[in-house]
Amino acid sequence: DVKVTQSSRYLVKRTGEKVFLECVQDMDHENMFWYRQDPGLGLRLIYFSYDVKMKEKGDIPEGYSVSREKKERFSLILESASTNQTSMYLCASSRQGETQYFGPGTRLLVL
Amino acid sequence: SQQGEEDPQALSIQEGENATMNCSYKTSINNLQWYRQNSGRGLVHLILIRSNEREKHSGRLRVTLDTSKKSSSLLITASRAADTASYFCARRLTGRRALTFGSGTRLQVQP
Repeated sequence: DVKVTQSSRYLVKRTGEKVFLECVQDMDHENMFWYRQDPGLGLRLIYFSYDVKMKEKGDIPEGYSVSREKKERFSLILESASTNQTSMYLCASSRQGETQYFGPGTRLLVL
Repeated sequence: SQQGEEDPQALSIQEGENATMNCSYKTSINNLQWYRQNSGRGLVHLILIRSNEREKHSGRLRVTLDTSKKSSSLLITASRAADTASYFCARRLTGRRALTFGSGTRLQVQP
């Protein structure tokens, strides 16, 4: 059974803190993705990675960075959290061009 | 919007009725996928339809694709209260690795 896990379901941080969101998949997928989801805006792609150490910016990369040192793990980093980064963050993985498998999401609140 | 449109934004029906959701897009696609999201959860893949396919079925789900009109529809037949969720279409645009999601349709099935 395929599985994508995210390190936290809920997270509360203060403005200016550095925040790490971790995502792990056990399906040996090449591609991994980070989205944020906000009411009325659907899912917006922040960054994705198509191989170890490879990454591409999505539609809204500003204020975020990512790291993929191992194939199964993709980390999203908020260098200095701001209140407008309060959101639901969803990680997904896939083989090339195919179905994406999503984690349960991390609801981040930045105070 | 570069993503296209999904309509309706919200749909409320009685159990046993059919539900139809529509998705349009603006540029050429390799495939189009439908996902479901229960409240506060990650997305679950339902169906993938490729650009050279016109219709696909999976249980009570039927997806059509009209590339000349750049549109797709998802039909859920004989709906159940458990079908209550948000439904998203995701386009894999030609030349892009990642999917482009719309803002979704919120379906409420009344028992």
